Amino acid sequence: GQNIDQPTEMTATEGAIVQINCTYQTSGFNGLFWYQQHAGEAPTFLSYNVLDGLEEKGRFSSFLSRSKGYSYLLLKELQMKDSASYLCAVRPRGGSQGNLIFGKGTKLSVKP
Amino acid sequence: GAVVSQHPSWVICKSGTSVKIECRSLDFQATTMFWYRQFPKQSLMLMATSNEGSKATYEQGVEKDKFLINHASLTLSTLTVTSAHPEDSSFYICSAAGLYNSPLHFGNGTRLTVT
Repeated sequence: GQNIDQPTEMTATEGAIVQINCTYQTSGFNGLFWYQQHAGEAPTFLSYNVLDGLEEKGRFSSFLSRSKGYSYLLLKELQMKDSASYLCAVRPRGGSQGNLIFGKGTKLSVKP
Repeated sequence: GAVVSQHPSWVICKSGTSVKIECRSLDFQATTMFWYRQFPKQSLMLMATSNEGSKATYEQGVEKDKFLINHASLTLSTLTVTSAHPEDSSFYICSAAGLYNSPLHFGNGTRLTVT
């Protein structure tokens, strides 16, 4: 079956660094995405990994290890506005372009 | 960046009525759009893939006669929830992408409440 696992909730302090992990078991692999979703809003794209390694984009970085079925999203210099749910999504091989399998999301709370 | 517009952002309707939700790609042509549904504290679940000029492809367990999808142009797809029931109350989100392997861009979602 298809499965995406990520922690349900995390709490961190403003200015700190937080790492959100994601493990996946899917029928093939054709890319991993991280999205940010504020309550009641649609997800917004953060990062995309298809090859192993680290992708850095400002305060956000995402890492992928395909052999381990593992990814993480790293958020640096946390701000209060980073409080949101972070969704890990995998596009399995052979699926349609939009057939992303989403995890249930990690709700991050940033405290002063 | 790519912008996807979804309308309405929220709607309340009575049981048995139908509701239409529009999804537009504003600055690019999307031959394919996607419709997702998200229940509270649950994952986004793909409902169907909307193909311009042809029939939509529905995921297993999604009733195609209940969730009518029309993709009449390269920038517009509509989802009609027919004979809505309270269990259809959910957050419906559309998305579109340009080139293959490009990230999906989501509309702002439509919160449907059926009373």
